[in-house]
Amino acid sequence: DAGVIQSPRHEVTEMGQEVTLRCKPISGHNSLFWYRQTMMRGLELLIYFNNNVPIDDSGMPEDRFSAKMPNASFSTLKIQPSEPRDSAVYFCASSLGGQGDGYTFGSGTRLTVV
Amino acid sequence: SQQGEEDPQALSIQEGENATMNCSYKTSINNLQWYRQNSGRGLVHLILIRSNEREKHSGRLRVTLDTSKKSSSLLITASRAADTASYFCATSNPGNMLTFGGGTRLMVKP
Repeated sequence: DAGVIQSPRHEVTEMGQEVTLRCKPISGHNSLFWYRQTMMRGLELLIYFNNNVPIDDSGMPEDRFSAKMPNASFSTLKIQPSEPRDSAVYFCASSLGGQGDGYTFGSGTRLTVV
Repeated sequence: SQQGEEDPQALSIQEGENATMNCSYKTSINNLQWYRQNSGRGLVHLILIRSNEREKHSGRLRVTLDTSKKSSSLLITASRAADTASYFCATSNPGNMLTFGGGTRLMVKP
C-alpha cells in the first residue's frame, strides 16, 4: 500500500482564491481525519469522518472551510475564500477506526496564502 | 485545544545517551499514542499503550502510562543521530479521535 496520499504537496495562492486539498486514505481504513499544523497552534483536528460520514467538524475554523468524503477512497478539504492566516501544513490521516489502531498520516500539503 | 502537553519542549543529547520525554493530559483516555515527525514530513506512529497497560516496549522505545497521574513517558535508549525529530503524544477518546500535544523537539548530536 502506498500509504495516505495527499495532493498537492505545496500550494501557493493569492488571498481570496479557492483552495482544494485532496486525500486518498489507505484502502480498508474507515476513519479519515483532517489536521492543520502551525507553529503557534500545533496540530489541530479539523474534521473526522467515519464510513464517509462527518462525525465531528467542531474543529473547522469557520464557514470558509468545508470538507467532503464522497466515497471511501477520496476526501477533499476546501477553503473559499482563502486568507493569509490559513497558511499552514494540512495533514490527512486514516485509521481502521478501532480503539487499538494508530493513525497513518499523509505527507501533508503546505499551503501558503499571500 | 491540546489535551496532551509534552515536557520538555526541546531536548538536546549526545548520541548513545537515553532520551526521556514526558506527556501529561487532562481527561480520561482509551489509549495514548506516541508519534514522531521529521522536519517537513508527516507524523509516524511509534507505539500505542492502552489505558489498562502500564508499560510497553518496542525496540529501543519504552513507554509508561500512569493513569492516576494522567501522565506518560517515552524513553528512547541508546539514541542515534537519526532519532532527531519532534515527538508527539496523542490521547484517544472513546470516539477514536486523537488530540495531540505540542511536541518535544529532540536533537541527537553525533
